[in-house]
Amino acid sequence: NAGVTQTPKFQVLKTGQSMTLQCAQDMNHNSMYWYRQDPGMGLRLIYYSASEGTTDKGEVPNGYNVSRLNKREFSLRLESAAPSQTSVYFCASSLSGSVSATNEKLFFGSGTQLSVL
Amino acid sequence: QKEVEQNSGPLSVPEGAIASLNCTYSDRVSQSFFWYRQYSGKSPELIMSIYSNGDKEDGRFTAQLNKASQYVSLLIRDSQPSDSATYLCAVNVDSNYQLIWGAGTKLIIKP
Repeated sequence: NAGVTQTPKFQVLKTGQSMTLQCAQDMNHNSMYWYRQDPGMGLRLIYYSASEGTTDKGEVPNGYNVSRLNKREFSLRLESAAPSQTSVYFCASSLSGSVSATNEKLFFGSGTQLSVL
Repeated sequence: QKEVEQNSGPLSVPEGAIASLNCTYSDRVSQSFFWYRQYSGKSPELIMSIYSNGDKEDGRFTAQLNKASQYVSLLIRDSQPSDSATYLCAVNVDSNYQLIWGAGTKLIIKP
């Protein structure tokens, strides 16, 4: 049981280049999320998908787009990378998505270290 | 701006002692509170969740919630070197799908 799988693990881009981060989960979870983690700051939500076919902006969506390809897969695209997007990106999933639900838990992928030069 | 505040540490605790981690939050209507542990270079993993005022115990871990004072804490009893990690506090905001995260407290357990 792989859980949440993210690719790639590391990526270096030049300013203006584009790329897509891939994420897949095999736990039949309904909700999926993309976070970024910067030193000295908490995890910040970029986009989330409460269920297949829906996506919504999180706290820091500017410069990113997402696609919920099917129930398993949720990708994050940087159309024109900027140095401010240098960060560690985490994909996560949860069964129902409602953080108010008792025992709701986020399962995280292993992360992508992205550097934009 | 809804915020979650944590002391960044590092908090150094001798092996076998109690480690106490604290978190304060600004949103009075928050209902769900979580503690995640993150080892260096790894992804976060859930340690505890708490929804009601008072204490919740799970093995060596106890979460404490005080909504009136807007703080949540995590106690780790009989601390082990393997508990050395960064502990992230997360609190829900008005959306059911969004959490606000603290920057984390780095805990070091000294043998």
